[in-house]
Amino acid sequence: AAGVIQSPRHLIKEKRETATLKCYPIPRHDTVYWYQQGPGQDPQFLISFYEKMQSDKGSIPDRFSAQQFSDYHSELNMSSLELGDSALYFCASSLVGLAGYTDTQYFGPGTRLTVL
Amino acid sequence: AQSVAQPEDQVNVAEGNPLTVKCTYSVSGNPYLFWYVQYPNRGLQFLLKYITGDNLVKGSYGFEAEFNKSQTSFHLKKPSALVSDSALYFCAVRDRDSVEGSYIPTFGRGTSLIVHP
Repeated sequence: AAGVIQSPRHLIKEKRETATLKCYPIPRHDTVYWYQQGPGQDPQFLISFYEKMQSDKGSIPDRFSAQQFSDYHSELNMSSLELGDSALYFCASSLVGLAGYTDTQYFGPGTRLTVL
Repeated sequence: AQSVAQPEDQVNVAEGNPLTVKCTYSVSGNPYLFWYVQYPNRGLQFLLKYITGDNLVKGSYGFEAEFNKSQTSFHLKKPSALVSDSALYFCAVRDRDSVEGSYIPTFGRGTSLIVHP
């Protein structure tokens, strides 16, 4: 079965640079979620999109932005990178549907961002 | 508000022995409960979930979890542990009755399961 695809898998950037992470959800899933997981930490929710509209917002810094495109893939844009942004960034997708209640979130393999 | 607690940072068990990874939760309404497993440098893999119905939920790789409403717990169990079960396990909860309609679960801090040969 198709899974959530994230690219790139690894990314190394310098401080103050920008980065773009991409997420391709499971086909027919309508909701995408972004999480940040620091070393030894639980995943922290950043932002989510349902049917290309932002649906929830968590602890996402103002330096970050995200969007979901017409093909349902999503991109997380990160600017003015800081050392503390080094983490694993996970994308997850789920099918919420018209019933409006959530189904399971399925996670991608993550992008490991290292800021030097 | 919703929260979840995993009281043990690490659980050690010998291969072949039963294992339990503990999780307690707090929600305003009724909970959706999930267990995920994370192997090193990998994404979270869904194991099982409780939505409604039978309190004992069976999931992937022989894992099961028991929903206990009175104790607000959702402990993960397996009758016979394998070395390959060694990984990080996350419990997550979402308030099924959230008036804000948020679909975002809250994750626990994770429990490292180490199964010794």
